[in-house]
Amino acid sequence: GNSVTQMEGPVTLSEEAFLTINCTYTATGYPSLFWYVQYPGEGLQLLLKATKADDKGSNKGFEATYRKETTSFHLEKGSVQVSDSAVYFCALVDASGGSYIPTFGRGTSLIVHP
Amino acid sequence: GAVVSQHPSRVICKSGTSVKIECRSLDFQATTMFWYRQFPKQSLMLMATSNEGSKATYEQGVEKDKFLINHASLTLSTLTVTSAHPEDSSFYICSARDSERGSYGYTFGSGTRLTVV
Repeated sequence: GNSVTQMEGPVTLSEEAFLTINCTYTATGYPSLFWYVQYPGEGLQLLLKATKADDKGSNKGFEATYRKETTSFHLEKGSVQVSDSAVYFCALVDASGGSYIPTFGRGTSLIVHP
Repeated sequence: GAVVSQHPSRVICKSGTSVKIECRSLDFQATTMFWYRQFPKQSLMLMATSNEGSKATYEQGVEKDKFLINHASLTLSTLTVTSAHPEDSSFYICSARDSERGSYGYTFGSGTRLTVV
């Protein structure tokens, strides 16, 4: 089956620090990969996505590259801000079996201090 | 962009009563809607998948008689928690899929915080 593994949190950083949140996946087919962000008390928002190997998704200073050889989709940001404090979810959709149900990682909490 | 409106955002109800949560896709037709439950500091637990005009498909361990899902139109799905108990207190999130946008087309509602007292 499909699965997504994210690094355990919380990740605690000072403002302007470099961020990496690791995400690896297993899939039976060729999935599309996503990062979602959840701010406190809210639903999930799509942060970025990639649909094929070597694609780089980017948004709001965040980036992630689809690495098929290492089955990874790590999230990075060069300089985090306090407003980036949230929970980040890595997810995949593998439509090869006809299912469009997303598979989510457990989420990684990011706390950024001033 | 695609917007999903979820209401109410917060609800407090007495034990034994029922609560209805609505999820509307505002600018697209949602062929499939998903209902998730999220416990504090945990990931999303998929409860059920519903396709417009057909019965919902519930995940293993989810009581379909307790969590009633209706997807009567392409823009509206409802989740009714029947005879709620304190253990049903949780954060419920809906997600709608716009089939025209392929595998990218998942938009989430803002969630409903249910507290059963």
